[in-house]
Amino acid sequence: QKEVEQNSGPLSVPEGAIASLNCTYSDRGSQSFFWYRQYSGKSPELIMFIYSNGDKEDGRFTAQLNKASQYVSLLIRDSQPSDSATYLCAVIISNFGNEKLTFGTGTRLTIIP
Amino acid sequence: GAVVSQHPSWVICKSGTSVKIECRSLDFQATTMFWYRQFPKQSLMLMATSNEGSKATYEQGVEKDKFLINHASLTLSTLTVTSAHPEDSSFYICSARERAKNIQYFGAGTRLSVL
Repeated sequence: QKEVEQNSGPLSVPEGAIASLNCTYSDRGSQSFFWYRQYSGKSPELIMFIYSNGDKEDGRFTAQLNKASQYVSLLIRDSQPSDSATYLCAVIISNFGNEKLTFGTGTRLTIIP
Repeated sequence: GAVVSQHPSWVICKSGTSVKIECRSLDFQATTMFWYRQFPKQSLMLMATSNEGSKATYEQGVEKDKFLINHASLTLSTLTVTSAHPEDSSFYICSARERAKNIQYFGAGTRLSVL
């Protein structure tokens, strides 16, 4: 089992709709979860971070965390063409005291005008 | 969010030469910085972790003598690709951890082309 798993997509969503991106992780002890956005040819950009169970909202973005199910998601409301990118789920996983930000393979999102 | 500056953004060099890439945290102190490499349409691959004032920790399969990392201050880490070859051509991205929030911010990346 991969440490952080995402559906690679591509995920196509009409403009104005809600895009839902999902991620599962294997380490029950993980406490810190992140979503990064990466445009083609660019470096990752932090979108959201979440540490506690429940929802965290920031503008059009909502991160949802369920530690019992080892599941974290990102919702993008009112999707815009500029949201088309690869979204990387990342989890800090501790291994023998060393903390490492571990990435999923990313979900490619395309917003259709 | 915090700012990580990476230079140069693009470099072309001849095979056999060395290239140095700088990574600076502009508005926070980064005791830990990370270097990644990404090939087209592939995932980020962690190359090494550098802690200020100590030797870098390299991931399995990454040649430490080829990819020299220096983290001499709390705001600056450098990666030197020594004796570069065409197969080293890639997108190199640095990242710095803001310790207070345990969040990693990324530089803009350096695209290296070795002729």
